Amino acid sequence: DIQMTQSPSSLSASVGDRVTITCRASQGISNYLAWYQHKPGKVPKLLIYAASALQSGVPSRFSGSGSGTDFTLTIRSLQPEDVATYYCQKYNSVPRAFGQGTKVEIK
Amino acid sequence: QVQLVESGGGVVQPGRSLRLSCAASTFTFTTYTMDWVRQAPGKGLEWVALISNDGGNKYYADSVKGRFTISRDNSKNTLYLQMNSLRAEDTAVYYCAREHRGELSLEGFFDYWGQGTLVTVSS
Repeated sequence: DIQMTQSPSSLSASVGDRVTITCRASQGISNYLAWYQHKPGKVPKLLIYAASALQSGVPSRFSGSGSGTDFTLTIRSLQPEDVATYYCQKYNSVPRAFGQGTKVEIK
Repeated sequence: QVQLVESGGGVVQPGRSLRLSCAASTFTFTTYTMDWVRQAPGKGLEWVALISNDGGNKYYADSVKGRFTISRDNSKNTLYLQMNSLRAEDTAVYYCAREHRGELSLEGFFDYWGQGTLVTVSS
């Protein structure tokens, strides 16, 4: 099975900072990659699909890039409401695996 | 607005069974692949199972294979997860999720999620 590895596992940044989270697949998955934001007590929210397509209603400060095995989620200017755990997920085949998550906090 | 409402969670003893339900509304349920995803306390998201729109194809995570069964009743717009031989490590919030329909990489990610139902396996 393909494994998804995110880094870092957590980060702390200041409001307005540029934040980058990486996700690596153990085998190539083309662009079959999604990113989700998950806040405590809330439902996971789709941010990005097809590696770089922004889901409707998601602020444009979020962006995704990559293909094959290496992917990136970028928050251009971190806002207080972005505090959450972020997950990548591959969906080219089953199992539909998630990365282990990256917890983003405000410094 | 798409609605997915889970039910059936609760406290259950190890080795016992539980069935979760997910009632879908305001979309054509019969045309969508559906999944179960869980989150154990303090842990990340874990994919559990998938069922195709007609119920003909089912897939499971290794951690639940042989113990859990995913099913659906398209006449009732309802998704199910039958959980047998429950273990402490199955304690989690269980979410049902809809897979987006489309071509190639526009199909397979989760565009809508239910609010989740908590399953606690404890003696």
